[in-house]
Amino acid sequence: GAVVSQHPSRVICKSGTSVKIECRSLDFQATTMFWYRQFPKQSLMLMATSNEGSKATYEQGVEKDKFLINHASLTLSTLTVTSAHPEDSSFYICSARGSLDTEAFFGQGTRLTVV
Amino acid sequence: AQRVTQPEKLLSVFKGAPVELKCNYSYSGSPELFWYVQYSRQRLQLLLRHISRESIKGFTADLNKGETSFHLKKPFAQEEDSAMYYCAFKNQGGKLIFGQGTELSVKP
Repeated sequence: GAVVSQHPSRVICKSGTSVKIECRSLDFQATTMFWYRQFPKQSLMLMATSNEGSKATYEQGVEKDKFLINHASLTLSTLTVTSAHPEDSSFYICSARGSLDTEAFFGQGTRLTVV
Repeated sequence: AQRVTQPEKLLSVFKGAPVELKCNYSYSGSPELFWYVQYSRQRLQLLLRHISRESIKGFTADLNKGETSFHLKKPFAQEEDSAMYYCAFKNQGGKLIFGQGTELSVKP
């Protein structure tokens, strides 16, 4: 299957700083990318959907000013956690798909720890 | 409401025993249903989808619209099947809605 790569896989940051997570589709053009948050052994909670070249659509309860999403190209989307706090510590996963009818592929996830 | 329910958080069976991971959905439209698997320290990957009606790694799942269920079954579990399993559906907007996940533990 297609490959989606996230970077970094693990990051530790200080409270109050911002962290950027990258999600790349390596061998296909991703018109849509999704960002999820996953708690240990729990479900994936969809945070936002981004389509290339347009503003991300956030799910209810997700602060768009805190979780900035940019999808500037067909192979790259970024999630920036601004002014991170310990409660933002989580596993963040992106997924990407080429079109509505195609399979969505998942990145390996980024473990964010805010200290 | 759009929802996927996986009632079992943990399912523990012995090797060779049959397995059924339950999944029920709530969606007013006609859903496209999936099972995803996440092995330890690996990324989420698609196991099977209902429109394909295929069997992957011995697993099958049948969509029952009357019961709004899409249970995952395997007649003889293997130790390598131990993983987290997520049932999901894709809504009309193309978003994947996931269930809470079931951890399958297959003991030797």
